[in-house]
Amino acid sequence: EPEVTQTPSHQVTQMGQEVILRCVPISNHLYFYWYRQILGQKVEFLVSFYNNEISEKSEIFDDQFSVERPDGSNFTLKIRSTKLEDSAMYFCASSRRQASTNEKLFFGSGTQLSVL
Amino acid sequence: KNEVEQSPQNLTAQEGEFITINCSYSVGISALHWLQQHPGGGIVSLFMLSSGKKKHGRLIATINIQEKHSSLHITASHPRDSAVYICAVTGTASKLTFGTGTRLQVTL
Repeated sequence: EPEVTQTPSHQVTQMGQEVILRCVPISNHLYFYWYRQILGQKVEFLVSFYNNEISEKSEIFDDQFSVERPDGSNFTLKIRSTKLEDSAMYFCASSRRQASTNEKLFFGSGTQLSVL
Repeated sequence: KNEVEQSPQNLTAQEGEFITINCSYSVGISALHWLQQHPGGGIVSLFMLSSGKKKHGRLIATINIQEKHSSLHITASHPRDSAVYICAVTGTASKLTFGTGTRLQVTL
């Protein structure tokens, strides 16, 4: 089965540093998402992306966050100046159609971000 | 805003037992997803349903739209079924709203 791949699997950074989390969605998928899960908490929606623009974002996704699809395969999440509370597992997901159209989402295995 | 509640939060079962995990939500949805999260953290989609019932191997998912409730059943449970099972819903927007998850441990 095709997979969503995420790199790196673990990222340790100092508070205030910029990090870029990378994802390669499934090749024929058009909708891309970032979710995060703080240890012991629910998975939370960050942002959805379609047709090279953000289609929806949560209140978590403030000016410190940005997403980009720099080429035909990668989808990145950038955190400009990391805070301690950004420590979490970040999941990338993709789907062929919008999630509300009964479309299955495929998740990557996650990037564990630790901010020290 | 949709509130998604799952029960139980933790469940321990012996191998072979029939397991039921419940999910309820507060606002009408377009689809409900059942997901599995293994200890390593990765999330796998098990089912997506908007009505009725779906079956895949030993897993069965049902949904009652009027009651805003879904159940995930595992028949003849096995230790490899041990994982966190998560219910998530989607409305008219593109995002999923997740429940807190049910941690299942199946022992020999």
